[in-house]
Amino acid sequence: LAKTTQPISMDSYEGQEVNITCSHNNIATNDYITWYQQFPSQGPRFIIQGYKTKVTNEVASLFIPADRKSSTLSLPRVSLSDTAVYYCLVGDIKGKLIFGQGTELSVKP
Amino acid sequence: EPEVTQTPSHQVTQMGQEVILRCVPISNHLYFYWYRQILGQKVEFLVSFYNNEISEKSEIFDDQFSVERPDGSNFTLKIRSTKLEDSAMYFCASSASRYGNTEAFFGQGTRLTVV
Repeated sequence: LAKTTQPISMDSYEGQEVNITCSHNNIATNDYITWYQQFPSQGPRFIIQGYKTKVTNEVASLFIPADRKSSTLSLPRVSLSDTAVYYCLVGDIKGKLIFGQGTELSVKP
Repeated sequence: EPEVTQTPSHQVTQMGQEVILRCVPISNHLYFYWYRQILGQKVEFLVSFYNNEISEKSEIFDDQFSVERPDGSNFTLKIRSTKLEDSAMYFCASSASRYGNTEAFFGQGTRLTVV
């Protein structure tokens, strides 16, 4: 499974757009890119998944450049309730998900 | 929205005792997983289960651990002879398929405290 690198923490203010970038230089051809969100003492929750270009759902957008060596999760107009840890995962699941340290996002009023 | 249900939400046990953590995956899902998260650390994969057998397991999942799907709805994790370092949040997850273009649904977790 490809190793991922993302910032340990980020700060933002309510109403701002937040972009979290994840590096995955050795991503394989069959790998998908998936982002999960985790609140304290809760299980991770799926946010978005993509393979290439751009994917958008009601929660976020995922931007993937042509070389697929990185991806950016974009959260539009964050609120205090978006304070959480965000995990970037890369790989063909094959029975498991490998979580990294994640990015701890803190949204301030 | 369908959800994965875990019981109990919190379990306290004495060192050396056996515990069974229970999970009810989403009904039409075929792949089941257990993860754990020690306080302040990352989520760690333990085991995946499909077609009534283990598909993959991590080095953490040693002989102390076992999983079972005793009936059509429950998925259990048994920890024999618990140790202090087994204290963690244990998450169950399920997915419709195991390939990379699907999402895994996680339960709310069981907080295991070994004293």
